[in-house]
Amino acid sequence: EVQLVESGGGLVKPGGSLRLSCAASGFTFSSYSMNWVRQAPGKGLEWVSSISSSSSYIYYADSVKGRFTISRDNAKNSLYLQMNSLRAEDTAVYYCARDPVAGTGAFDIWGQGTMVTVSS
Amino acid sequence: QSALTQPASVSGSPGQSITISCTGTSSDVGGYNYVSWYQQHPGKAPKLMIYEVSNRPSGVPDRFSGSKSGNTASLTISGLQAEDEADYYCSSYTSSSTVVFGGGTKLTVL
Repeated sequence: EVQLVESGGGLVKPGGSLRLSCAASGFTFSSYSMNWVRQAPGKGLEWVSSISSSSSYIYYADSVKGRFTISRDNAKNSLYLQMNSLRAEDTAVYYCARDPVAGTGAFDIWGQGTMVTVSS
Repeated sequence: QSALTQPASVSGSPGQSITISCTGTSSDVGGYNYVSWYQQHPGKAPKLMIYEVSNRPSGVPDRFSGSKSGNTASLTISGLQAEDEADYYCSSYTSSSTVVFGGGTKLTVL
């Protein structure tokens, strides 16, 4: 079964850091671009970051640029999001999503999400 | 990276058709045929319904269709069913090699 499973969410204080992970299974992870998308409570979807299959191309939303770092380990079939200098407005469910045709923004497989709460 | 513009809500009766619009700019919707549509039920992850403006992934009913004219894309759902009640989001690839989502539209089946 094709599956993405996020982990690493939790409660963190403003200014703190958190590292999210996304474990992929059921497909050849190293062949696909991957993305992080977040959704604040009661709000819409917001694209956060993308990384190409070989990590050659990485992009970020302006709202997280300089604070978040996306990475992947194809040997471990895993995607990561290192989040530093967290703010209250980063509170959201964070989803990892597969992009079968790199750069088109058509995310065909999503994880169940992991909740990140930034609060003192 | 301004969000694409969608109506906050639309509604229709079972069997009817509805259309949700998604307006962007020439730097996103109008510049590329990379518009996608997602369905999201409460507490669930989004589901891809349409990609590359008008293509349906395997398993998505043909009641769902997409189109684009200029800077505005549209999702049409014909033969509305109760299970179609959900939030719908459009997205587009942008000239900055990023992705932008719409604000979302809540579909109510009356």
